[in-house]
Amino acid sequence: KQEVTQIPAALSVPEGENLVLNCSFTDSAIYNLQWFRQDPGKGLTSLLLIQSSQREQTSGRLNASLDKSSGRSTLYIAASQPGDSATYLCAVRPPYNQGGKLIFGQGTELSVKP
Amino acid sequence: EAQVTQNPRYLITVTGKKLTVTCSQNMNHEYMSWYRQDPGLGLRQIYYSMNVEVTDKGDVPEGYKVSRKEKRNFPLILESPSPNQTSLYFCASSLTRDRGLMSYEQYFGPGTRLTVT
Repeated sequence: KQEVTQIPAALSVPEGENLVLNCSFTDSAIYNLQWFRQDPGKGLTSLLLIQSSQREQTSGRLNASLDKSSGRSTLYIAASQPGDSATYLCAVRPPYNQGGKLIFGQGTELSVKP
Repeated sequence: EAQVTQNPRYLITVTGKKLTVTCSQNMNHEYMSWYRQDPGLGLRQIYYSMNVEVTDKGDVPEGYKVSRKEKRNFPLILESPSPNQTSLYFCASSLTRDRGLMSYEQYFGPGTRLTVT
């Protein structure tokens, strides 16, 4: 059974710091991996999608990497800003087709202090 | 603007009173899903649909029904809500096909916070 783990559960950093969020999954047979951002009481915003054949994706100050063989993904945030404060979720799509089902980690709650 | 919309955003109801949460997407996505989010349990899929008139159970389907009569809409029905269905609900959609290329990026609605007393 696929399980997704995110460490740490919470992280507090000063503004301007570069940081790395970690995601690990137990079964390397995945179709893709997606990183989301969730603001308190709000919906999920897609940040980056990495296909299983890809190693990384970049969008602005965000860079996500994928190492399928070791079951790990990292989300790198450069020059963090207070507006980056949110919960970051990683999710994997299993290879079987269940309507695009995603299996989520519990998230990392990020706080960026001015 | 490409989006998934849900209504209502907040709902407080009583045990046993039937309710429907609507979901609509404007991206011509084939796949749609409902998830619930609970503290300590994360997001779990309730039901999904792979196309019009094609629906199936996810991981936690008990107490819920869905229908997919049109491609853009995927309502979630609670026939007899109970307090253990108090949760934050998300509708999601994905899968577009464009000239042979498929994109599975998943988009989520803003959420519906349901309280059943």
